[in-house]
Amino acid sequence: RKEVEQDPGPFNVPEGATVAFNCTYSNSASQSFFWYRQDCRKEPKLLMSVYSSGNEDGRFTAQLNRASQYISLLIRDSKLSDSATYLCAVSAGSARQLTFGSGTQLTVLP
Amino acid sequence: DTGVSQDPRHKITKRGQNVTFRCDPISEHNRLYWYRQTLGQGPEFLTYFQNEAQLEKSRLLSDRFSAERPKGSFSTLEIQRTEQGDSAMYLCASSPRDSGRAYEQYFGPGTRLTVT
Repeated sequence: RKEVEQDPGPFNVPEGATVAFNCTYSNSASQSFFWYRQDCRKEPKLLMSVYSSGNEDGRFTAQLNRASQYISLLIRDSKLSDSATYLCAVSAGSARQLTFGSGTQLTVLP
Repeated sequence: DTGVSQDPRHKITKRGQNVTFRCDPISEHNRLYWYRQTLGQGPEFLTYFQNEAQLEKSRLLSDRFSAERPKGSFSTLEIQRTEQGDSAMYLCASSPRDSGRAYEQYFGPGTRLTVT
């Protein structure tokens, strides 16, 4: 079983739609949680840190459920420019190295 | 640009050759990470430096791989006797000293290695 699992998609949604991604993690000692966005052949870019209380940044909302060991990302009013791969990542231990899921591919269609 | 930089951006080498990559982290960041990413997968952790000390190494980091961060600033990753399986994107990330930012990591553009 992978430490961090995501539905690979692809998710194909029309502009303006709301789309949600989930990610589960197996290490109950995980301490920090993140969503990254990665465009084709580019580096991952930090989208949001995910806090226990949840957090929102414009059209993006992230939630953490420690009891069920999953994190979620909700994108409202999706734009063409949201098309990318979304990676969830968790960190644990003193080094806080990130363990990534394989990513979920999103295509927003006109 | 004050982000993480990596050099070279692309490297093509023949099997058996040695290669070295460089990473310059964001200047005030004392934590530096190397990851490797292959097609269709998320990045996988290779090694971690806090200042000049290499504190963590993944089992992925075979004896052919070595990393340094001699003065606690830039870092190098060397692969000796490259194999075709080493073909991947090598990503460097840095993280600020202030743990209040939940150890957020910021990635450089990566070095894409192709071993022929």
